[in-house]
Amino acid sequence: GNSVTQMEGPVTLSEEAFLTINCTYTATGYPSLFWYVQYPGEGLQLLLKATKADDKGSNKGFEATYRKETTSFHLEKGSVQVSDSAVYFCALLTSGSRLTFGEGTQLTVNP
Amino acid sequence: GAGVSQSPSNKVTEKGKDVELRCDPISGHTALYWYRQRLGQGLEFLIYFQGNSAPDKSGLPSDRFSAERTGESVSTLTIQRTQQEDSAVYLCASSLEGGSGSTDTQYFGPGTRLTVL
Repeated sequence: GNSVTQMEGPVTLSEEAFLTINCTYTATGYPSLFWYVQYPGEGLQLLLKATKADDKGSNKGFEATYRKETTSFHLEKGSVQVSDSAVYFCALLTSGSRLTFGEGTQLTVNP
Repeated sequence: GAGVSQSPSNKVTEKGKDVELRCDPISGHTALYWYRQRLGQGLEFLIYFQGNSAPDKSGLPSDRFSAERTGESVSTLTIQRTQQEDSAVYLCASSLEGGSGSTDTQYFGPGTRLTVL
């Protein structure tokens, strides 16, 4: 079956630090890959996505590259801000429309 | 330009009672999804609607859970004889089309926090 594994949290960084949140997946077929973000007190929002191998999704300074050879979709940002503090979820979508989520990674950025 | 809305935002109920959770998807979205998020865990898929039919209900955890969708719009998730392990945030999402091969973005509502005492 399909599964997503995220690096364990929580992650605490200082402002302007480099961020990597690892995500690997197991899937049948060729999934689309997503990062969703949940800010405190808010609903889940799409951050970025990639639909085929070697695609790079990017948004708000965050990037992730779909690596089929390593079945990974790591999230990166070069310089985090306090406002990036949130829970980040990696997810995959295969035919059939259900999203399979990782367990989420709590990020806290301190000033 | 409204997003996905859900009601109520919070629901506290006693064990054994029935609850109904409502979802209003984005207008024009034919696909609708229900997920559950238990404390400290990722989201679990429950059921998917394409129009008013549910081609995938395999995530419903027991026969106490049911859902319906009418008019290709509003959906209701019903939990009968609630148990404490049903306590979670129930999230609804919608997408433009959905279905096999679709990569449409799913847009999520704010969720309903259910607490079963």
